[in-house]
Amino acid sequence: DQQVKQNSPSLSVQEGRISILNCDYTNSMFDYFLWYKKYPAEGPTFLISISSIKDKNEDGRFTVFLNKSAKHLSLHIVPSQPGDSAVYFCAASARSNYQLIWGAGTKLIIKP
Amino acid sequence: EPEVTQTPSHQVTQMGQEVILRCVPISNHLYFYWYRQILGQKVEFLVSFYNNEISEKSEIFDDQFSVERPDGSNFTLKIRSTKLEDSAMYFCASLMGGALRNYGYTFGSGTRLTVV
Repeated sequence: DQQVKQNSPSLSVQEGRISILNCDYTNSMFDYFLWYKKYPAEGPTFLISISSIKDKNEDGRFTVFLNKSAKHLSLHIVPSQPGDSAVYFCAASARSNYQLIWGAGTKLIIKP
Repeated sequence: EPEVTQTPSHQVTQMGQEVILRCVPISNHLYFYWYRQILGQKVEFLVSFYNNEISEKSEIFDDQFSVERPDGSNFTLKIRSTKLEDSAMYFCASLMGGALRNYGYTFGSGTRLTVV
């Protein structure tokens, strides 16, 4: 039962361009969504989050968009930098607990 | 910046042996978690711990697994009799109450468990 889906296992983007990572979810009880970045041999690092009462949250080069009707969220990185090359995980949480349900991750490769 | 510390970074054990994975969460955090990631697969929730007891656990967290916070600082995951399929990266995470909104979890760097 994949409640959180990241359908693209990998994405390759030119340095300086926009990276768009997508995530879909099925559970309408989710009310909080988070993006994490993970380098090899390290733990996931929190990037940005969004509450279900919002449709956009911005933090520097990172913007997360939430479309509740489509149960879809996306992470935009502008401009993409070489250090952004990592695996990005989408995760969701329901108000009832703090447990996160994770997507499978998308490997982002920034090409010089 | 406060960190979650996990030891060891890599543990190799024989099938059937007991292992204890150790974590030192951030000191003023209230919620503690173990997750694992089998190579090439999703990050999976194992267990959450709050107020000195398990608050939630997944199907993976069967009777072979246990968690403890013996001294108010360490948070340990014990696997009683390891199986080959327990080989994975195990991540500890902590959270200060309602900080999920702003900060998400803070994860440790993980322990790579290899069962041979």
